[in-house]
Amino acid sequence: DQQVKQNSPSLSVQEGRISILNCDYTNSMFDYFLWYKKYPAEGPTFLISISSIKDKNEDGRFTVFLNKSAKHLSLHIVPSQPGDSAVYFCAAESNTNAGKSTFGDGTTLTVKP
Amino acid sequence: NAGVMQNPRHLVRRRGQEARLRCSPMKGHSHVYWYRQLPEEGLKFMVYLQKENIIDESGMPKERFSAEFPKEGPSILRIQQVVRGDSAAYFCASSVQRGSLHNEQFFGPGTRLTVL
Repeated sequence: DQQVKQNSPSLSVQEGRISILNCDYTNSMFDYFLWYKKYPAEGPTFLISISSIKDKNEDGRFTVFLNKSAKHLSLHIVPSQPGDSAVYFCAAESNTNAGKSTFGDGTTLTVKP
Repeated sequence: NAGVMQNPRHLVRRRGQEARLRCSPMKGHSHVYWYRQLPEEGLKFMVYLQKENIIDESGMPKERFSAEFPKEGPSILRIQQVVRGDSAAYFCASSVQRGSLHNEQFFGPGTRLTVL
């Protein structure tokens, strides 16, 4: 049973447009969510996080939205740049298991010049 | 300031051999996490350690796998009698102990294990 799901394996957008990456979770105990970016042959790099007490967190071009009732979060990248092309992982944690991140399978984003 | 270091980057073993994967956390980090990534999948949590303590090993297979984080030296993930299904990328991450429960994890570049 996969508790964190990223249903789109891939996404392609034009440079300058918005990229929206989606993530759904099933475990209602999750209360902290993270997005990581991963280039080939490298480890994931932390991008942005959000606590369940918020519904939005913004950091430059990256904004994460959380809809607790729908158990859904999304990462918006505006404007998208070719250097954003990477695999994006959504991850979730609970206070009772802090440090134990549950990852989705990732979405490969391609930003075309 | 070096990041999380993992070695070797690539490891090839024959079935039945042992694999030892090493992870040196970032300076000042006392928490280490190991994840495994199978092809076309996300990272799967394996184990969470602090110095000389295993905090959570709920993701570790019950047999053949062990992990340690000694007082001195790197964290070691040990896989005995490897099988082809152990072929994967193994990532180590570290974090600092802060007041909040959730601390950003910094990942190493991974070790790609291939079992022939």
